[in-house]
Amino acid sequence: GENVEQHPSTLSVQEGDSAVIKCTYSDSASNYFPWYKQELGKRPQLIIDIRSNVGEKKDQRIAVTLNKTAKHFSLHITETQPEDSAVYFCAADKNSGGYQKVTFGTGTKLQVIP
Amino acid sequence: DGGITQSPKYLFRKEGQNVTLSCEQNLNHDAMYWYRQDPGQGLRLIYYSQIVNDFQKGDIAEGYSVSREKKESFPLTVTSAQKNPTAFYLCASSHSNEQFFGPGTRLTVL
Repeated sequence: GENVEQHPSTLSVQEGDSAVIKCTYSDSASNYFPWYKQELGKRPQLIIDIRSNVGEKKDQRIAVTLNKTAKHFSLHITETQPEDSAVYFCAADKNSGGYQKVTFGTGTKLQVIP
Repeated sequence: DGGITQSPKYLFRKEGQNVTLSCEQNLNHDAMYWYRQDPGQGLRLIYYSQIVNDFQKGDIAEGYSVSREKKESFPLTVTSAQKNPTAFYLCASSHSNEQFFGPGTRLTVL
């Protein structure tokens, strides 16, 4: 089955600096790669996603890159703010026999220091 | 955040007892999922269902059971066979790819 590895597990940055979180996946059939943000005590919410036919996607201060050959994708947050502090999960999603199965990474706890 | 609900928010159970966690959605989504969240282990898939009366085992299905009798509902039963059931359980639904999560149920086995 699919295996998603996520690094680092914790990340501290100064406010205004950039943060990068990296994930690798094992199944070349995975074709959709979302990123979820989970604030303390809240449910995960989608912040950005990328499909396998795209190499990069940007939404304001957040960007995601995908390297299909190397099977890795990354989340980039620029000009970090205290409200960016949360746990971030990457995921790999594929259609298997008509079922959409999602495998999540283990999460990165991001702390933005004011 | 609305549209998918879980109850109860906190649940305590004695060892050896089965317990059922509720998940309801009014988003008209076909697919529903159950995840278990433990510190440092991310979200692990327990069961998922693409349509009514059909569901598939996820990566950690042992000791759990589900049913999908209605499109809106996907209850999860944690049985006494689950050796380490204390965890935070998240339900999700999706249409297309984005998953919408419920608020979660924290289960504690005493």
